[in-house]
Amino acid sequence: SQKIEQNSEALNIQEGKTATLTCNYTNYSPAYLQWYRQDPGRGPVFLLLIRENEKEKRKERLKVTFDTTLKQSLFHITASQPADSATYLCALPHSGSARQLTFGSGTQLTVLP
Amino acid sequence: GAVVSQHPSRVICKSGTSVKIECRSLDFQATTMFWYRQFPKKSLMLMATSNEGSKATYEQGVEKDKFLINHASLTLSTLTVTSAHPEDSSFYICSAILQGSRTEAFFGQGTRLTVV
Repeated sequence: SQKIEQNSEALNIQEGKTATLTCNYTNYSPAYLQWYRQDPGRGPVFLLLIRENEKEKRKERLKVTFDTTLKQSLFHITASQPADSATYLCALPHSGSARQLTFGSGTQLTVLP
Repeated sequence: GAVVSQHPSRVICKSGTSVKIECRSLDFQATTMFWYRQFPKKSLMLMATSNEGSKATYEQGVEKDKFLINHASLTLSTLTVTSAHPEDSSFYICSAILQGSRTEAFFGQGTRLTVV
């Protein structure tokens, strides 16, 4: 069955630095991959979608890469700010149903002032 | 972006009682909604897929008689936790996906259920 791993449960970085989060997956070749942000006690909020034929995608200070050979996506936040502190989840379409999503366990990012 | 509203955001109930959680798509029609459960520092676990006008599809290990799902209209799905027990305490989240080429999911605010 498909498996998603977000390597770091928690990541602390200094304000202004670039945060890099990793999402690895196995037993699957998804057509796309998504990243979400979740704040405590709230539902996830969609950030970016990257398709299998896209190597990189950017949105303001966010950058996502998608390496289908390595089966890995990297999520970067440049010039990080304390307001970026949250849990970030990667998600893949379910192998059995494209309308369902399977989520990684998330990485809790803390940006220190 | 599309808005999904979930209500209530927090609920405390006594063991043995039932609790209903509502999930509404405010500015779009959602033929399919999803219900998740999330434990502290864990990922979202899909419980069931709610289909408008038909029975929900439950994931393996999720008791359909325990977690009743009703999707009576294109903008409302409800999850009822029946005969709640303390182990049902959790964070429940619903989501809906826009039709068409966009595949991003829009989530409700979540409901923190505490059973005492």
